[in-house]
Amino acid sequence: SQQGEEDPQALSIQEGENATMNCSYKTSINNLQWYRQNSGRGLVHLILIRSNEREKHSGRLRVTLDTSKKSSSLLITASRAADTASYFCATDDNHAGSNYQLIWGAGTKLIIKP
Amino acid sequence: ETGVTQTPRHLVMGMTNKKSLKCEQHLGHNAMYWYKQSAKKPLELMFVYNFKEQTENNSVPSRFSPECPNSSHLFLHLHTLQPEDSALYLCASSQEGTTNEKLFFGSGTQLSVL
Repeated sequence: SQQGEEDPQALSIQEGENATMNCSYKTSINNLQWYRQNSGRGLVHLILIRSNEREKHSGRLRVTLDTSKKSSSLLITASRAADTASYFCATDDNHAGSNYQLIWGAGTKLIIKP
Repeated sequence: ETGVTQTPRHLVMGMTNKKSLKCEQHLGHNAMYWYKQSAKKPLELMFVYNFKEQTENNSVPSRFSPECPNSSHLFLHLHTLQPEDSALYLCASSQEGTTNEKLFFGSGTQLSVL
């Protein structure tokens, strides 16, 4: 089955810098979502971008989607210590038999150094 | 607060114990999910309930037994677990149970099987 893959697996930057994480997937999708997870906690939804959208913003977050390359990126601008977390992408798979199953990547661990 | 509450937050059990994980959502959602999160692996969907009916069972071993008495409550009964079942178990809910909407997660139960 398809699996989203985040890149890089880990990223460490200085506070105030921008952080970029990438997600690649294998089959056609209807939408792609990004989630954040603080250590040992549940996931929090950040942004959902549909296949007919190319870019979406939410505060300091910018998500792009390139369906021709089957990839998405999450940009966090002016990073803060509180942004330290793992970030996951999840896609539906419009060829799959299930209407309920998202396909998750293994995540990018982001560390913001003060 | 995401509106999804899980208890307990931590659980240590022996392989012969019986325990239950509890999840409650206060969002009026119709779908609830159990996910398993192991270190460095993508989230694994275990079960989906939509309008109290189980709609997905991703080949989960019978030592995991879900129960959904109503749309707001979800349980995961555990019996005769193995050490490899140690993981973070996450409950989530969504409005309609499709892959076109965001999920709301609880904080998870960190399970250790000795």
